[in-house]
Amino acid sequence: DQQVKQNSPSLSVQEGRISILNCDYTNSMFDYFLWYKKYPAEGPTFLISISSIKDKNEDGRFTVFLNKSAKHLSLHIVPSQPGDSAVYFCAAKSVGKLVFGKGTKLTVNP
Amino acid sequence: DTGVSQDPRHKITKRGQNVTFRCDPISEHNRLYWYRQTLGQGPEFLTYFQNEAQLEKSRLLSDRFSAERPKGSFSTLEIQRTEQGDSAMYLCASSPKPRGRPAETQYFGPGTRLLVL
Repeated sequence: DQQVKQNSPSLSVQEGRISILNCDYTNSMFDYFLWYKKYPAEGPTFLISISSIKDKNEDGRFTVFLNKSAKHLSLHIVPSQPGDSAVYFCAAKSVGKLVFGKGTKLTVNP
Repeated sequence: DTGVSQDPRHKITKRGQNVTFRCDPISEHNRLYWYRQTLGQGPEFLTYFQNEAQLEKSRLLSDRFSAERPKGSFSTLEIQRTEQGDSAMYLCASSPKPRGRPAETQYFGPGTRLLVL
Protein backbone atom coordinates (compact mmCIF):
# COMPACT_ATOMS: atom_id res chain seq x y z
CA ASP A 1 0.00 0.00 0.00
CA GLN A 2 1.16 3.50 -0.72
CA GLN A 3 2.43 5.36 2.31
CA VAL A 4 2.89 8.63 0.40
CA LYS A 5 0.19 9.73 -2.01
CA GLN A 6 0.05 12.51 -4.54
CA ASN A 7 -3.51 12.31 -5.76
CA SER A 8 -3.23 14.82 -8.59
CA PRO A 9 -1.25 13.40 -11.52
CA SER A 10 -1.15 16.80 -13.20
CA LEU A 11 -1.68 20.50 -12.58
CA SER A 12 -1.77 23.41 -14.99
CA VAL A 13 -1.40 27.05 -13.92
CA GLN A 14 -0.80 30.41 -15.55
CA GLU A 15 2.55 32.13 -15.26
CA GLY A 16 2.62 34.48 -12.28
CA ARG A 17 -0.10 32.64 -10.37
CA ILE A 18 0.30 30.32 -7.41
CA SER A 19 0.93 26.59 -7.86
CA ILE A 20 -0.19 24.35 -5.00
CA LEU A 21 0.94 20.73 -4.99
CA ASN A 22 -0.47 18.38 -2.39
CA CYS A 23 0.76 15.24 -0.67
CA ASP A 24 -0.78 12.91 1.92
CA TYR A 25 0.95 10.29 4.02
CA THR A 26 -0.16 7.49 6.27
CA ASN A 27 2.86 6.66 8.44
CA SER A 28 3.04 8.83 11.56
CA MET A 29 6.66 7.73 12.09
CA PHE A 30 7.88 9.84 9.16
CA ASP A 31 10.06 12.60 10.64
CA TYR A 32 11.25 14.57 7.63
CA PHE A 33 9.60 15.53 4.37
CA LEU A 34 11.13 16.70 1.11
CA TRP A 35 10.04 17.95 -2.28
CA TYR A 36 11.99 17.12 -5.42
CA LYS A 37 11.64 18.41 -8.96
CA LYS A 38 12.39 16.13 -11.89
CA TYR A 39 12.89 16.74 -15.58
CA PRO A 40 12.70 13.84 -18.06
CA ALA A 41 15.85 11.72 -18.25
CA GLU A 42 17.39 13.45 -15.22
CA GLY A 43 17.63 12.59 -11.56
CA PRO A 44 15.40 14.33 -8.98
CA THR A 45 16.63 17.75 -7.85
CA PHE A 46 16.12 18.70 -4.20
CA LEU A 47 13.86 21.73 -3.72
CA ILE A 48 12.85 22.20 -0.11
CA SER A 49 12.31 20.17 3.04
CA ILE A 50 10.60 20.35 6.41
CA SER A 51 11.10 18.61 9.70
CA SER A 52 8.10 17.05 11.40
CA ILE A 53 8.52 19.46 14.32
CA LYS A 54 7.76 22.47 12.11
CA ASP A 55 4.67 23.49 10.20
CA LYS A 56 6.17 25.81 7.59
CA ASN A 57 9.42 26.31 5.75
CA GLU A 58 10.06 28.97 3.14
CA ASP A 59 12.83 29.33 0.57
CA GLY A 60 12.39 32.08 -1.99
CA ARG A 61 9.38 31.32 -4.16
CA PHE A 62 8.87 27.92 -2.52
CA THR A 63 7.01 27.28 0.73
CA VAL A 64 6.19 23.92 2.23
CA PHE A 65 3.39 23.54 4.77
CA LEU A 66 2.99 20.54 7.04
CA ASN A 67 -0.26 19.61 8.83
CA LYS A 68 0.66 16.66 11.05
CA SER A 69 -2.83 16.08 12.40
CA ALA A 70 -4.13 15.69 8.84
CA LYS A 71 -0.96 13.92 7.66
CA HIS A 72 -0.84 16.37 4.78
CA LEU A 73 1.79 18.59 3.26
CA SER A 74 1.72 21.03 0.41
CA LEU A 75 4.20 22.91 -1.74
CA HIS A 76 3.36 26.46 -2.79
CA ILE A 77 5.20 28.11 -5.65
CA VAL A 78 4.66 31.86 -5.97
CA PRO A 79 4.90 33.29 -8.55
CA SER A 80 4.94 30.32 -10.91
CA GLN A 81 7.30 30.53 -13.88
CA PRO A 82 7.40 28.48 -17.12
CA GLY A 83 10.74 27.01 -15.98
CA ASP A 84 8.93 25.43 -13.04
CA SER A 85 7.24 23.01 -15.44
CA ALA A 86 8.38 19.55 -14.33
CA VAL A 87 7.27 16.55 -12.30
CA TYR A 88 7.26 17.21 -8.55
CA PHE A 89 7.75 14.39 -6.07
CA CYS A 90 6.87 14.44 -2.42
CA ALA A 91 9.08 12.21 -0.24
CA ALA A 92 9.05 11.20 3.42
CA LYS A 93 11.97 9.90 5.41
CA SER A 94 11.64 6.57 7.21
CA VAL A 95 14.73 5.42 9.13
CA GLY A 96 17.18 6.59 6.48
CA LYS A 97 15.37 5.73 3.28
CA LEU A 98 12.95 7.98 1.42
CA VAL A 99 9.43 6.92 0.46
CA PHE A 100 8.16 8.77 -2.62
CA GLY A 101 4.77 9.59 -4.02
CA LYS A 102 4.02 9.00 -7.70
CA GLY A 103 4.53 12.63 -8.61
CA THR A 104 2.49 15.54 -9.97
CA LYS A 105 3.28 16.96 -13.40
CA LEU A 106 3.16 20.75 -13.21
CA THR A 107 2.72 22.80 -16.37
CA VAL A 108 3.10 26.57 -16.13
CA ASN A 109 1.65 28.28 -19.16
CA PRO A 110 3.12 31.60 -20.36
CA ASP B 1 30.60 20.43 -4.55
CA THR B 2 30.50 18.34 -7.66
CA GLY B 3 27.26 16.42 -7.72
CA VAL B 4 26.54 12.72 -7.60
CA SER B 5 27.72 11.05 -10.80
CA GLN B 6 26.57 7.79 -12.31
CA ASP B 7 27.99 5.66 -15.09
CA PRO B 8 26.84 4.64 -17.60
CA ARG B 9 23.92 6.96 -18.29
CA HIS B 10 22.28 4.40 -20.57
CA LYS B 11 22.59 0.64 -20.89
CA ILE B 12 20.89 -1.72 -23.32
CA THR B 13 21.38 -5.41 -22.68
CA LYS B 14 19.88 -8.73 -23.63
CA ARG B 15 17.89 -10.81 -21.20
CA GLY B 16 20.14 -13.08 -19.18
CA GLN B 17 23.20 -10.84 -19.30
CA ASN B 18 24.83 -9.28 -16.24
CA VAL B 19 25.15 -5.50 -15.88
CA THR B 20 27.01 -3.30 -13.41
CA PHE B 21 26.40 0.36 -12.62
CA ARG B 22 28.67 2.74 -10.77
CA CYS B 23 27.84 5.68 -8.51
CA ASP B 24 30.23 8.31 -7.19
CA PRO B 25 28.66 10.28 -4.33
CA ILE B 26 29.32 13.88 -3.34
CA SER B 27 32.67 13.91 -1.59
CA GLU B 28 32.51 13.41 2.19
CA HIS B 29 28.92 12.19 2.06
CA ASN B 30 28.98 9.09 4.18
CA ARG B 31 25.58 7.72 3.18
CA LEU B 32 24.84 6.36 -0.28
CA TYR B 33 21.47 5.11 -1.53
CA TRP B 34 20.18 3.20 -4.55
CA TYR B 35 16.64 3.64 -5.88
CA ARG B 36 14.79 2.34 -8.91
CA GLN B 37 12.18 4.28 -10.86
CA THR B 38 9.77 2.88 -13.44
CA LEU B 39 7.43 4.83 -15.68
CA GLY B 40 4.67 6.63 -13.84
CA GLN B 41 6.08 5.79 -10.41
CA GLY B 42 8.19 7.59 -7.87
CA PRO B 43 11.65 6.29 -7.01
CA GLU B 44 11.58 3.09 -4.92
CA PHE B 45 14.24 2.38 -2.32
CA LEU B 46 16.59 -0.53 -2.97
CA THR B 47 19.44 -0.30 -0.46
CA TYR B 48 21.73 2.08 1.39
CA PHE B 49 25.21 2.25 2.85
CA GLN B 50 26.76 4.17 5.68
CA ASN B 51 30.43 4.26 4.80
CA GLU B 52 31.15 0.71 3.62
CA ALA B 53 28.40 -0.96 5.68
CA GLN B 54 25.19 -1.94 3.90
CA LEU B 55 22.53 -1.03 6.47
CA GLU B 56 19.26 -1.92 4.76
CA LYS B 57 18.05 -3.82 1.73
CA SER B 58 14.56 -3.64 0.29
CA ARG B 59 12.51 -6.72 -0.48
CA LEU B 60 12.61 -5.39 -4.05
CA LEU B 61 16.27 -6.37 -4.12
CA SER B 62 16.14 -9.98 -5.26
CA ASP B 63 19.07 -12.39 -5.05
CA ARG B 64 20.06 -11.31 -8.55
CA PHE B 65 20.91 -7.84 -7.27
CA SER B 66 24.03 -7.03 -5.29
CA ALA B 67 25.46 -3.71 -4.20
CA GLU B 68 28.86 -2.89 -2.77
CA ARG B 69 30.70 0.10 -1.41
CA PRO B 70 34.08 -1.42 -0.63
CA LYS B 71 36.04 1.64 0.50
CA GLY B 72 33.17 3.81 1.62
CA SER B 73 33.43 6.02 -1.46
CA PHE B 74 31.94 4.89 -4.80
CA SER B 75 29.38 2.12 -5.04
CA THR B 76 28.44 -0.49 -7.63
CA LEU B 77 25.09 -2.12 -8.28
CA GLU B 78 25.17 -5.41 -10.19
CA ILE B 79 22.21 -7.19 -11.70
CA GLN B 80 22.80 -10.80 -12.69
CA ARG B 81 20.73 -12.67 -15.28
CA THR B 82 18.76 -9.58 -16.22
CA GLU B 83 15.05 -9.85 -16.93
CA GLN B 84 12.79 -7.54 -18.93
CA GLY B 85 11.16 -6.45 -15.67
CA ASP B 86 14.51 -4.98 -14.59
CA SER B 87 14.13 -2.24 -17.20
CA ALA B 88 14.02 1.01 -15.23
CA MET B 89 15.97 4.10 -14.23
CA TYR B 90 18.45 3.29 -11.47
CA LEU B 91 19.13 6.29 -9.27
CA CYS B 92 21.90 6.86 -6.78
CA ALA B 93 21.78 9.45 -4.02
CA SER B 94 24.05 10.54 -1.20
CA SER B 95 23.58 12.45 2.02
CA PRO B 96 26.01 14.29 4.28
CA LYS B 97 27.28 13.50 7.73
CA PRO B 98 24.96 14.64 10.52
CA ARG B 99 26.84 17.92 11.16
CA GLY B 100 26.52 20.80 8.74
CA ARG B 101 23.72 20.52 6.18
CA PRO B 102 20.68 18.46 7.21
CA ALA B 103 21.66 14.81 7.07
CA GLU B 104 18.17 13.94 5.91
CA THR B 105 18.56 15.60 2.52
CA GLN B 106 19.51 13.15 -0.20
CA TYR B 107 21.05 14.47 -3.40
CA PHE B 108 20.47 12.43 -6.52
CA GLY B 109 22.60 11.65 -9.53
CA PRO B 110 21.36 11.71 -13.12
CA GLY B 111 20.51 8.01 -13.12
CA THR B 112 21.31 5.04 -15.33
CA ARG B 113 18.54 4.04 -17.69
CA LEU B 114 18.52 0.27 -18.25
CA LEU B 115 16.67 -1.42 -21.09
CA VAL B 116 16.57 -5.21 -21.12
CA LEU B 117 15.60 -6.67 -24.49
